[in-house]
Amino acid sequence: SQQGEEDPQALSIQEGENATMNCSYKTSINNLQWYRQNSGRGLVHLILIRSNEREKHSGRLRVTLDTSKKSSSLLITASRAADTASYFCATDANTGTASKLTFGTGTRLQVTL
Amino acid sequence: EPEVTQTPSHQVTQMGQEVILRCVPISNHLYFYWYRQILGQKVEFLVSFYNNEISEKSEIFDDQFSVERPDGSNFTLKIRSTKLEDSAMYFCASSEEGITYNEQFFGPGTRLTVL
Repeated sequence: SQQGEEDPQALSIQEGENATMNCSYKTSINNLQWYRQNSGRGLVHLILIRSNEREKHSGRLRVTLDTSKKSSSLLITASRAADTASYFCATDANTGTASKLTFGTGTRLQVTL
Repeated sequence: EPEVTQTPSHQVTQMGQEVILRCVPISNHLYFYWYRQILGQKVEFLVSFYNNEISEKSEIFDDQFSVERPDGSNFTLKIRSTKLEDSAMYFCASSEEGITYNEQFFGPGTRLTVL
């Protein structure tokens, strides 16, 4: 798989359910970030997890990172219709001065009422 | 809350024309980036910029592309002679720090359509 591959590609759930999205990557990383993108719109930063962290929470979001498996998961609890969007993981593996994010293919989440 | 802004939101141009896409990064950020997303594809890194020079660029960022920080607030991406395949959404991003701990905040994007 390529750096930053999410699965599933698409996920449809009902409001109130939890949504779990997974991301796999290939190289060692500095950090991993999750973004949300509403159709045709910009990227909204959700959460960053460093390579030495295993879990982070932000509101209804929970992110885990397993560097031994080179994978991360994003859990959205108690989903809402407004959570409908595409979700991307982005890894930063750069060793230079500035970072360089490599994005995955994304998971399209549909939350229905 | 501070945010990255981009203008224009949509740019239509003829093949071969020059375009300049503009961005105003978050004011206390030091690192600036351009990414692009061709319709239906992944977001791709183009270039990073720090201390008034390019830090890194991708293979996409060829001689037709250039970036500039003409003043203390704007950050621009110029495409000298646009091609059909340059049609994409272009995102500007900025971060307070470089690597290790750098949340990159993205602007809303400029949709470039090359006819």
